[in-house]
Amino acid sequence: GNSVTQMEGPVTLSEEAFLTINCTYTATGYPSLFWYVQYPGEGLQLLLKATKADDKGSNKGFEATYRKETTSFHLEKGSVQVSDSAVYFCAPGNNRLAFGKGNQVVVIP
Amino acid sequence: DTGVSQNPRHKITKRGQNVTFRCDPISEHNRLYWYRQTLGQGPEFLTYFQNEAQLEKSRLLSDRFSAERPKGSFSTLEIQRTEQGDSAMYLCASSPTGFDGYTFGSGTRLTVV
Repeated sequence: GNSVTQMEGPVTLSEEAFLTINCTYTATGYPSLFWYVQYPGEGLQLLLKATKADDKGSNKGFEATYRKETTSFHLEKGSVQVSDSAVYFCAPGNNRLAFGKGNQVVVIP
Repeated sequence: DTGVSQNPRHKITKRGQNVTFRCDPISEHNRLYWYRQTLGQGPEFLTYFQNEAQLEKSRLLSDRFSAERPKGSFSTLEIQRTEQGDSAMYLCASSPTGFDGYTFGSGTRLTVV
């Protein structure tokens, strides 16, 4: 089956800083790759996706590129806002998704 | 489109009781998924349906758990003889194809006391 490794620990950074959250995966076959976000008190929302190698998913200023050779799908945003404070989950899969433990991101004004 | 609806939002039950949760997916989505999420963890897959057929079940889904989607629309997840370890957020999601990502509901938080 599929599995995913996200970097350990919460991420705390100042407003307008650059954000990177690492995600590497193992998969059988050729999965689609997803980032989901969970804002405080809310349900999981699809943030962005990529369905084939070298595809770049983007949404709300976030980007992630499907790197098949390194089995990675790192999430980046150039200038974070306080409203980006949330938990971010990487999830590879086709139909059945495997979620990582998530990374809590705290953006300080 | 009213999104994925789950009921109840919260359920507190005594150990040994049975509980049932309901999920109403987005109406045109033929795939429906159940996941479980505990504090500090990502969602874990439990089972999924394509229309009314239950096509895959996780080994996490013990004999005490059963899910149905009788007419290919709403789904129910029942837990019999609940245990404290069943305390979690139970998430339902739906998708038109399974390959484009899911829309999640807000979840049902189960507390077994």
